[in-house]
Amino acid sequence: DTGVSQNPRHKITKRGQNVTFRCDPISEHNRLYWYRQTLGQGPEFLTYFQNEAQLEKSRLLSDRFSAERPKGSFSTLEIQRTEQGDSAMYLCASSYNRGQSTDTQYFGPGTRLTVL
Amino acid sequence: AQTVTQSQPEMSVQEAETVTLSCTYDTSENNYYLFWYKQPPSRQMILVIRQEAYKQQNATENRFSVNFQKAAKSFSLKISDSQLGDTAMYFCASRPFEALNFGKGTSLLVTP
Repeated sequence: DTGVSQNPRHKITKRGQNVTFRCDPISEHNRLYWYRQTLGQGPEFLTYFQNEAQLEKSRLLSDRFSAERPKGSFSTLEIQRTEQGDSAMYLCASSYNRGQSTDTQYFGPGTRLTVL
Repeated sequence: AQTVTQSQPEMSVQEAETVTLSCTYDTSENNYYLFWYKQPPSRQMILVIRQEAYKQQNATENRFSVNFQKAAKSFSLKISDSQLGDTAMYFCASRPFEALNFGKGTSLLVTP
């Protein structure tokens, strides 16, 4: 399977705990995006990387959230001191960008987080 | 703020019929891109069709086509010869910059 993969697919945690999600993009894709999707809503942008550089962060990405893409390949999204409002589907997407905004973003299956 | 509005939360169509999903968007940018994504139940989101705003010709992909009205900021999706496998959430999205701005989605049910 050469698509975008995400692990774990489901995560249940207690409020106050830290969680980390992983995204493996399509091979050779230089851009990687994180979105959050709550029930009944469309995905909302969180942040994106060009190679290993984090180029943009949404105001939705509070101080409790941090994302990395250390070698320009896989990425991790960590949420510290989780709150019930963090319960959502976290989607990762990747694309190959040649310098213009014409690239297509390919999505992974998502990680569903439930905070009890 | 860039907003995308999908005014039809749910729609239903019979197999082999045609259905149109509505989408309006708001952007002050002149160059942007528009997308329709499909999210089947419990499956990942996939691209259905895309449109560059500078192109006047409406995009078409097999049974899927769009009606792009730039002045009205309208971007509707037409699905012809609907199939049971078209049952899914459909999201309209705009892309004036790098991130996609999604609408709330339209749940489409195709019935036999």
